[in-house]
Amino acid sequence: SQQGEEDPQALSIQEGENATMNCSYKTSINNLQWYRQNSGRGLVHLILIRSNEREKHSGRLRVTLDTSKKSSSLLITASRAADTASYFCAVVDSSYKLIFGSGTRLLVRP
Amino acid sequence: DAGVIQSPRHEVTEMGQEVTLRCKPISGHNSLFWYRQTMMRGLELLIYFNNNVPIDDSGMPEDRFSAKMPNASFSTLKIQPSEPRDSAVYFCASSPPGVGSYEQYFGPGTRLTVT
Repeated sequence: SQQGEEDPQALSIQEGENATMNCSYKTSINNLQWYRQNSGRGLVHLILIRSNEREKHSGRLRVTLDTSKKSSSLLITASRAADTASYFCAVVDSSYKLIFGSGTRLLVRP
Repeated sequence: DAGVIQSPRHEVTEMGQEVTLRCKPISGHNSLFWYRQTMMRGLELLIYFNNNVPIDDSGMPEDRFSAKMPNASFSTLKIQPSEPRDSAVYFCASSPPGVGSYEQYFGPGTRLTVT
């Protein structure tokens, strides 16, 4: 089974609202990454948080990591229609492979 | 700067035919990954190379799939013979050298349809 599992599977919000997506994983990690995938496109790296970090910001993105709960969250503030995409978390496993979750489909309604 | 380049972008073929997907990683990157994405199974790692050497091919579905990386700037994923269940989007990704990052850069994908 996949390491990272996102929650919710789908999220629909109004433009301007905040969007929060969660990710849970199973084993110890070196780092956790979030990627975005627009329809019909490849994945784009958004942000990386290391296992010794608890929170990281990048523009309108805020990522938290709780290694005791083996979970992470991605917050997108002041969402825009252009944020509509699927968002994936990914963890590096013991063999240094990046294992992706099943993704959260975000719809931002104008 | 050019990102990861994949060709073709779309491929439609008949069952039993050989299919070859191509990838050019970002210059200077030393790791290359092949993924398959379907609605049912999500994003699956098929194989990855480090410095042109296959490191882990445990994700390759079966002997019909093979991958090569003859040099640092080119890789192929071949399916022979192809089957309808191979229909998916195949992504190539590369990552730069360095320990502790593992950030990957994805190509646009090849959408394969096997009829």
